[in-house]
Amino acid sequence: AQKITQTQPGMFVQEKEAVTLDCTYDTSDPSYGLFWYKQPSSGEMIFLIYQGSYDQQNATEGRYSLNFQKARKSANLVISASQLGDSAMYFCAMREGGYGGATNKLIFGTGTLLAVQP
Amino acid sequence: GAGVSQSPSNKVTEKGKDVELRCDPISGHTALYWYRQSLGQGLEFLIYFQGNSAPDKSGLPSDRFSAERTGGSVSTLTIQRTQQEDSAVYLCASSLQGGARNEQFFGPGTRLTVL
Repeated sequence: AQKITQTQPGMFVQEKEAVTLDCTYDTSDPSYGLFWYKQPSSGEMIFLIYQGSYDQQNATEGRYSLNFQKARKSANLVISASQLGDSAMYFCAMREGGYGGATNKLIFGTGTLLAVQP
Repeated sequence: GAGVSQSPSNKVTEKGKDVELRCDPISGHTALYWYRQSLGQGLEFLIYFQGNSAPDKSGLPSDRFSAERTGGSVSTLTIQRTQQEDSAVYLCASSLQGGARNEQFFGPGTRLTVL
């Protein structure tokens, strides 16, 4: 069964430093997509970055990059040059199925609470 | 353009009452999803609508939960005979269909409290 595991309930990072948030996944489908979302204390879910299972390169979006290690089934989020506004809950999620997958539902991990310290 | 909107933002109800939660997706988005987020937890998939196809109801936790989507746009999630364990934030999301990414855009959620 598909599953997302985030083993870090909480993380601290100093402002301007880089931080890695861990995510491992389990699926038997060769075609899948991996997502990271940010949820600030206000509650909205903000899409950050996407990695497809067949993508040859690691995804990058500004200060966010995804360290995709397919053989290890890991999709860690790297945030460079942390800012105070990065303090939030971060969720890793997976969608099984490829191009317009059959159901498109996302399976979420339990999240990592990141605190950026000045 | 406008994002996903949900109403009400907060709902307090008594155990046993029925509640209706509304979601207005982003205009032009053909896919609509409902998720539930219990306190301190990740999101749990409830139901997915895509165009005129039969919805994927595989995440609905019991037959007290139902949802409909009228005219391919607005959706209503109904919880009958609410229980205290139904207390959670109910999030709606929408996405375009087609393409590998299909990122989902979330609304602000409805916080449901069942007393």
